[in-house]
Amino acid sequence: AQKVTQAQTEISVVEKEDVTLDCVYETRDTTYYLFWYKQPPSGELVFLIRRNSFDEQNEISGRYSWNFQKSTSSFNFTITASQVVDSAVYFCALSEARRGNEKLTFGTGTRLTIIP
Amino acid sequence: DTGVSQDPRHKITKRGQNVTFRCDPISEHNRLYWYRQTLGQGPEFLTYFQNEAQLEKSRLLSDRFSAERPKGSFSTLEIQRTEQGDSAMYLCASSLAGTSQETQYFGPGTRLLVL
Repeated sequence: AQKVTQAQTEISVVEKEDVTLDCVYETRDTTYYLFWYKQPPSGELVFLIRRNSFDEQNEISGRYSWNFQKSTSSFNFTITASQVVDSAVYFCALSEARRGNEKLTFGTGTRLTIIP
Repeated sequence: DTGVSQDPRHKITKRGQNVTFRCDPISEHNRLYWYRQTLGQGPEFLTYFQNEAQLEKSRLLSDRFSAERPKGSFSTLEIQRTEQGDSAMYLCASSLAGTSQETQYFGPGTRLLVL
């Protein structure tokens, strides 16, 4: 069975600080996909990134970066120079390709608050 | 390019009543998913369609729940004889199968409160 753990329930940082959100996953599959979604107070889940299990390159997109390490089954998300607009709940998710669909298994989320 | 839309955005009902939610996916997307999210939790998978075929249902989907996607476009999720435990956010997502970067895009959700 697949599982995603986000051990940090809530994080608060002062604006402009860097912050890292942790994600640890479990799967028996060799081919799988990892995702991060942002859920602002409005409630809509906003897609941030998708990473394939065979691609361990880290990725940077503006102030956002992701560190994927298969050896530790982790897919961590870092926001540099945080801004108030980054305040939201962030979810890490996993899907297994062999199932024939991409049903997502989500973690419980990390609520990030950026203090002005 | 319009995103996934859901209607209604909010629904308050009394226990025992039936409710129906609608989801309109991104127009070219052939897969459609329903998830349920309770307070403080991540979304949990309920069911999914590829075109009009319902291909998987979670054990969370009791026999009071039924979902349809009659023409492979919009989908409805009906809950019969609602219970207070059904109170949650119901999220719909769609994706385009067969691409190397298949990604689910979510709608704004329908927040259900059962009194």
